[in-house]
Amino acid sequence: EVQVEQSGAELKKPGDSLKISCKHSGPTFDTYWIGWARQMPGKGLEWMGIIHLADHNTKYSPPFQGQVSISADTSVTTAYLQWTSLEASDTAIYYCASAVDGNFYFDVWGPGALVTVSS
Amino acid sequence: QSALTQPASVSGSPGQSITISCTGTWSDIGSFHFVSWHQQHPGKALQLIIYDVDNRPSGVSNRFSGSKSGNTAFLTISGLQAEDEADYYCNSYTPRGSTYVFGTGTTVTVL
Repeated sequence: EVQVEQSGAELKKPGDSLKISCKHSGPTFDTYWIGWARQMPGKGLEWMGIIHLADHNTKYSPPFQGQVSISADTSVTTAYLQWTSLEASDTAIYYCASAVDGNFYFDVWGPGALVTVSS
Repeated sequence: QSALTQPASVSGSPGQSITISCTGTWSDIGSFHFVSWHQQHPGKALQLIIYDVDNRPSGVSNRFSGSKSGNTAFLTISGLQAEDEADYYCNSYTPRGSTYVFGTGTTVTVL
């Protein structure tokens, strides 16, 4: 059974850096993509990008290209979402989700990680 | 990249059927059979309820069904129940960035 576990809530100041994580566990005979999605307060979901856990192939949604960095560590089957300089507008819940390679849908979702950026 | 367009809200009485539309373009919904639907209860993780336009994951009620016509996908909830009150998001693969795009989201209210 596939599971994804996200790191906890974060309170940061504008200009801070941050890296949040998404730990994946599941059958090793499959390979997986991890996707990151943002949900700003009271708003809908937005895809930020996806990364292949095995070969680290990464694709960004155009609005997020250059704004965040998505990475992965295959040895611990964990994906990361990173900012170098947070802004108040980055305040949101960030979800990660898992898709089996070859499928075009994300069937396992994490609980979300609340990131609050405030001075 | 623009979000897919969904109605902001849809409501129905218990037992009724409702349909939520999700309109994209020829380059996403119109070109691929890769539309999925997710349910989000307040404060809960998203749950996949439909994938590849019209397939239900194991364990999802058969009251949920999906379809597509042209650039628009549809989610139908039949026999509406109080537990169906939630937000629903469509999702499609898009060749822009070779990634995905969500719909704007629809709040379902059971009257």
